[in-house]
Amino acid sequence: GAVVSQHPSRVICKSGTSVKIECRSLDFQATTMFWYRQFPKQSLMLMATSNEGSKATYEQGVEKDKFLINHASLTLSTLTVTSAHPEDSSFYICSACSLAGNTIYFGEGSWLTVV
Amino acid sequence: AQTVTQSQPEMSVQEAETVTLSCTYDTSESNYYLFWYKQPPSRQMILVIRQEAYKQQNATENRFSVNFQKAAKSFSLKISDSQLGDTAMYFCAFMKPGSQGAQKLVFGQGTRLTINP
Repeated sequence: GAVVSQHPSRVICKSGTSVKIECRSLDFQATTMFWYRQFPKQSLMLMATSNEGSKATYEQGVEKDKFLINHASLTLSTLTVTSAHPEDSSFYICSACSLAGNTIYFGEGSWLTVV
Repeated sequence: AQTVTQSQPEMSVQEAETVTLSCTYDTSESNYYLFWYKQPPSRQMILVIRQEAYKQQNATENRFSVNFQKAAKSFSLKISDSQLGDTAMYFCAFMKPGSQGAQKLVFGQGTRLTINP
């Protein structure tokens, strides 16, 4: 079946630095990918919709300058957390829709810790 | 806008028992998809089961089945012969079909299910 891979699974960075998380669709092309953030014991919060070849669409309240999204190819979307702060520490997870358009597949998620 | 509600924050049953997780949703759409996702401690989101709204027949996947009541906007998940590995967070989700870019998932708050030995 369709597989979405996310890397790195865990990353620790210093406050003020930037960190990039990759999301790849391994066996299908995804013109659209989605980025979520999950706080402890909470549901997934959609951050933005990543569109191949165009600008991402951000959900209300998400800072587009802090969370940079690039979708340069049909199989890769990246999320860059810029000037990271400890409050950005969280679990980030991406997803992509199947070609049939009826199922969403998720990456393994990335734990970000900002120290 | 669509909303999904899971009214049971936590549930706990004994191994081999049957458990039902509740989910209700609100939408004005006539055609849509509903999903149950499982999130174990590893945090990986695993698709458990999918239901197309235009299909009257309830979806089943081995020990997992749904009770889809379209008029009542209810979509419950039944787990039969529960196993220790079923312990996880379960999320109900709604998706409106469309071209790629339209398929945002709207999640419920989740139900933490614990299977006790």
